[in-house]
Amino acid sequence: GAVVSQHPSRVICKSGTSVKIECRSLDFQATTMFWYRQFPKQSLMLMATSNEGSKATYEQGVEKDKFLINHASLTLSTLTVTSAHPEDSSFYICSARDAGGTGLTDTQYFGPGTRLTVL
Amino acid sequence: RKEVEQDPGPFNVPEGATVAFNCTYSNSASQSFFWYRQDCRKEPKLLMSVYSSGNEDGRFTAQLNRASQYISLLIRDSKLSDSATYLCVVGFTGRRALTFGSGTRLQVQP
Repeated sequence: GAVVSQHPSRVICKSGTSVKIECRSLDFQATTMFWYRQFPKQSLMLMATSNEGSKATYEQGVEKDKFLINHASLTLSTLTVTSAHPEDSSFYICSARDAGGTGLTDTQYFGPGTRLTVL
Repeated sequence: RKEVEQDPGPFNVPEGATVAFNCTYSNSASQSFFWYRQDCRKEPKLLMSVYSSGNEDGRFTAQLNRASQYISLLIRDSKLSDSATYLCVVGFTGRRALTFGSGTRLQVQP
């Protein structure tokens, strides 16, 4: 099946620093990638939709200047958490939709997630 | 009202039991439906898609009722390895992201 990787898998940083998370589709092209955040014992919440070659679409309540998304190629999207604070500590998960799919099943493939801890 | 609602559980069942999870969704225009499984501190993994005609995959049976906007998952002969959180997921074809329920936690006990 399709594989999506994320790097790093875990990061601990000091408050005020920026953290970049990479999401790659390894064996397929993804025109659309999604970034989710999951707090403990809560559901995945969509943060933004990343479209290759265009600006990301952010969900209501998500600060676009704080969570910078770049989708420069069909296999790579990055999420940068700028000036991270302890409340940004969470599990960040990306998913990718296969550009070669029919769209009928809308299957998305998830990366393994990045656990961010801001001290 | 949440877009996708699930009973959070936990459901504690003995090995071999049959357990059923239900889920309701609010947007009648939803087009695709899935059950995902998420283990602790891991990413969600697709368990199965859900169709109006119902579908079965081994011990797992999923059903969709569009009129009632209701999705179900039945697990027969529960195994210890079935212990996880089961996420009800609703989507649209095209570029829109999936909408996740908060999950139902299952604990299968020996």
